[in-house]
Amino acid sequence: ELKVEQNPLFLSMQEGKNYTIYCNYSTTSDRLYWYRQDPGKSLESLFVLLSNGAVKQEGRLMASLDTKARLSTLHITAAVHDLSATYFCAVANTDKLIFGTGTRLQVFP
Amino acid sequence: GAVVSQHPSWVICKSGTSVKIECRSLDFQATTMFWYRQFPKQSLMLMATSNEGSKATYEQGVEKDKFLINHASLTLSTLTVTSAHPEDSSFYICSASGVTGPLNQPQHFGDGTRLSIL
Repeated sequence: ELKVEQNPLFLSMQEGKNYTIYCNYSTTSDRLYWYRQDPGKSLESLFVLLSNGAVKQEGRLMASLDTKARLSTLHITAAVHDLSATYFCAVANTDKLIFGTGTRLQVFP
Repeated sequence: GAVVSQHPSWVICKSGTSVKIECRSLDFQATTMFWYRQFPKQSLMLMATSNEGSKATYEQGVEKDKFLINHASLTLSTLTVTSAHPEDSSFYICSASGVTGPLNQPQHFGDGTRLSIL
């Protein structure tokens, strides 16, 4: 059974600081996705990572994938309040997506 | 492109009633639709996968008689929560995938339906 774990579960950080969220998964997959969810809302797609070594950047967020280590990271650079949300990684398993536990990010002044 | 519309956004019902949630792919043909459930501060849990014209495949622990799924066309799937009780209160999210959608996105998500059972 594919399991997807994220660390940390909750993160409170000051504006301007950097931090990395980790996503570990238990079985082989070469497709990993990152989503953002605001309170009461559905999912917003952030990154699509389709191969080992893939790195994608959008604004203050950068995602990477290491399929050999079964690890993806989401790095936050110089955090701003607008980044406050819950972030999910999801790993493809045939046609299904298995979601990570989620990381709730809170950015304060 | 690849818009998925979910209706209603929020529904409050009395215990014992049945509630139907619709999921429509507006600009592509969805060969497969997925239904997720999300409790507060938790992750999305896949409930079932449905392919157009065939019976849905339910995940372990999901009662198929409780959560009726119909995927009668390539653009519409419905989830009916039968005889809903307060423990069924949750955020339900559908997603859709299809061969005519952007290939780099496995699924396109609806806006979710907040179900509150009193």
